[in-house]
Amino acid sequence: GNSVTQMEGPVTLSEEAFLTINCTYTATGYPSLFWYVQYPGEGLQLLLKATKADDKGSNKGFEATYRKETTSFHLEKGSVQVSDSAVYFCALPHPGGSYIPTFGRGTSLIVHP
Amino acid sequence: DAGVTQSPTHLIKTRGQHVTLRCSPISGHKSVSWYQQVLGQGPQFIFQYYEKEERGRGNFPDRFSARQFPNYSSELNVNALLLGDSALYLCASSSPGMAGGKAFFGQGTRLTVV
Repeated sequence: GNSVTQMEGPVTLSEEAFLTINCTYTATGYPSLFWYVQYPGEGLQLLLKATKADDKGSNKGFEATYRKETTSFHLEKGSVQVSDSAVYFCALPHPGGSYIPTFGRGTSLIVHP
Repeated sequence: DAGVTQSPTHLIKTRGQHVTLRCSPISGHKSVSWYQQVLGQGPQFIFQYYEKEERGRGNFPDRFSARQFPNYSSELNVNALLLGDSALYLCASSSPGMAGGKAFFGQGTRLTVV
C-alpha cells in the first residue's frame, strides 16, 4: 500500500537557518504528494502539494519537488523563522484514490531566536 | 464560513466505556474522514464517509464505527474503550470539485481513557 517515511525529529535550528526535512514514499503509480503542517494547538493545514513528477509545490517560503527517480518529496526553506516551529507531515493520497491523505509520522521543527 | 467543527474538544472516559465524537463539515462538503493521532505519531486513517456511505476504512477494530447524517455531519463511536484509545481524534471534510478536493481538518477531540 501507499506509505511515506519521514526523517526523525526533532529538528532544531536557529532563526534564518536553512531547513530540509526528508520524505520518501512508496506507492503504486505516481500519486499526488503533500506536506501538511500542525502548529501548536491548531489543526492540520495543507502547506503545499505537487501532482506530478518534477512538479514543485511552494507556499510561505517552503518548497518541495516531486522526484520520481528517488521517490522523494523533501521539504526545504531557505531561512526559517521562529513562527515556523511546528510539526510537518509528508502525505500521499489514501489508496482509494481520493484526496484523503495518508500521513507519515511527522517531523517536529523547533526554531530558536 | 465556519471551518470544520468538532465536539467535544476534550473528553475523559474510563476503560470499558463508550464514547461518541461529533464533526460538522464545512458547508457544501459531502465527505467526512476520521483520523486517530496518538501522541508523537502521524494521524492514522479510520473511516471515510461520502454521501452518507462508508467509502473507506483503515485498520481499526470493530469497536470503532461511524455514520454520516443527511446534513453531512458525522459521528465516530468507540465501544469498550481501552487505554490505547487515548489520542487526538481528527475530522476532515472535503468535496470533489471544491478547493481541488482539498481536505480541511478540525482541531480535534482529545480523548483520554483512564
